[in-house]
Amino acid sequence: GAGVSQSPSNKVTEKGKDVELRCDPISGHTALYWYRQSLGQGLEFLIYFQGNSAPDKSGLPSDRFSAERTGGSVSTLTIQRTQQEDSAVYLCASSLGIDRGAFFGQGTRLTVV
Amino acid sequence: SQQGEEDPQALSIQEGENATMNCSYKTSINNLQWYRQNSGRGLVHLILIRSNEREKHSGRLRVTLDTSKKSSSLLITASRAADTASYFCATDAWAAGNKLTFGGGTRVLVKP
Repeated sequence: GAGVSQSPSNKVTEKGKDVELRCDPISGHTALYWYRQSLGQGLEFLIYFQGNSAPDKSGLPSDRFSAERTGGSVSTLTIQRTQQEDSAVYLCASSLGIDRGAFFGQGTRLTVV
Repeated sequence: SQQGEEDPQALSIQEGENATMNCSYKTSINNLQWYRQNSGRGLVHLILIRSNEREKHSGRLRVTLDTSKKSSSLLITASRAADTASYFCATDAWAAGNKLTFGGGTRVLVKP
């Protein structure tokens, strides 16, 4: 596709349910990032995939959060047993490398009720 | 923890004026980037400056980098109402695994 695509755009879920957020990066981009942004705040780093290297998971806030990237392309961020504090906009970005700008998707707004 | 911290947190100017915002970071970096975000959704890449560069221009944007002070500035000249947005700096550092980390942003309001 022409850009980074994220789905769904919005997700409302009940506390305790699991959710999956999807990111389709730009074809050929080796780097893929997940961030979380609360209203009016900066971007909180979650996880970073670079090529075939082991992902940098240092930003995942708890073991309820996990992510995978299949075939070096599509990525899925999974949040198990969602809590109200998980409510935020989840942003995905991809790039050709660290010396290139990253392209962002429009994000998934997650609301846990 | 965030690598970059922007200053000021918010800025209000009149159309036609210049807007300047600063970014400070903690560890040696490979590159520093600036992004714009409208309406709280996807960010748009504006400019990238490498650690061995001191100044870069793109249209009405001017970015400087001072590695001795671990700081960068973004200048928007002749601002327009459409420049109203949040601006974020982002850095990647070898010591941090080369991942791209963002600061808290500067909210800019350009009044017509």
